[in-house]
Amino acid sequence: NAGVTQTPKFQVLKTGQSMTLQCAQDMNHNSMYWYRQDPGMGLRLIYYSASEGTTDKGEVPNGYNVSRLNKREFSLRLESAAPSQTSVYFCASNGVRGYRYFGPGTRLLVL
Amino acid sequence: AQSVAQPEDQVNVAEGNPLTVKCTYSVSGNPYLFWYVQYPNRGLQFLLKYITGDNLVKGSYGFEAEFNKSQTSFHLKKPSALVSDSALYFCAVRDSQGNTNAGKSTFGDGTTLTVKP
Repeated sequence: NAGVTQTPKFQVLKTGQSMTLQCAQDMNHNSMYWYRQDPGMGLRLIYYSASEGTTDKGEVPNGYNVSRLNKREFSLRLESAAPSQTSVYFCASNGVRGYRYFGPGTRLLVL
Repeated sequence: AQSVAQPEDQVNVAEGNPLTVKCTYSVSGNPYLFWYVQYPNRGLQFLLKYITGDNLVKGSYGFEAEFNKSQTSFHLKKPSALVSDSALYFCAVRDSQGNTNAGKSTFGDGTTLTVKP
């Protein structure tokens, strides 16, 4: 049971490049989330998916898109990266016990 | 709208002393409250939660938290701190109304706990 996995662990992009952050969970959870973590700003919700086939915007969705590919996988896409998107990105899922399981994070640097 | 405040960016305690990390919240209905811990270069890990019932909640690694409805607080405590408790701690709140699993939790900005030998 791997929990929540994320790839890549670290990425450097140039402004304007695109990339997709991958997330998968093997706990059969319905709900999945994408957060960004910035110093002094805590965790901010980008997008979430309450169940397979549905996605909703969080606090800071601009510049991002998501896909809930199936129950296991929830990807985050940056179509045209900007320096303001330099951050640490966490994927999470939520089980019946009501709390989040977090992945190890992806560190993204946009130059 | 719901919100969480962690009034201290940093808490420093000596090993063996009791520790408290403060959290206050605001929700329109009854709260679900959570504490998470983040070690360097790792994702957040669940510590404990309050859903209903006893106001004193016990969690992982000897931590506990006390729900105080009148003060809208949910402070994290440990009777005797360890150096290995040094980490970043997040409080989170969710309104109990709506879908329990998909409901959006709001996280505080985090408090860095440093335990010195």
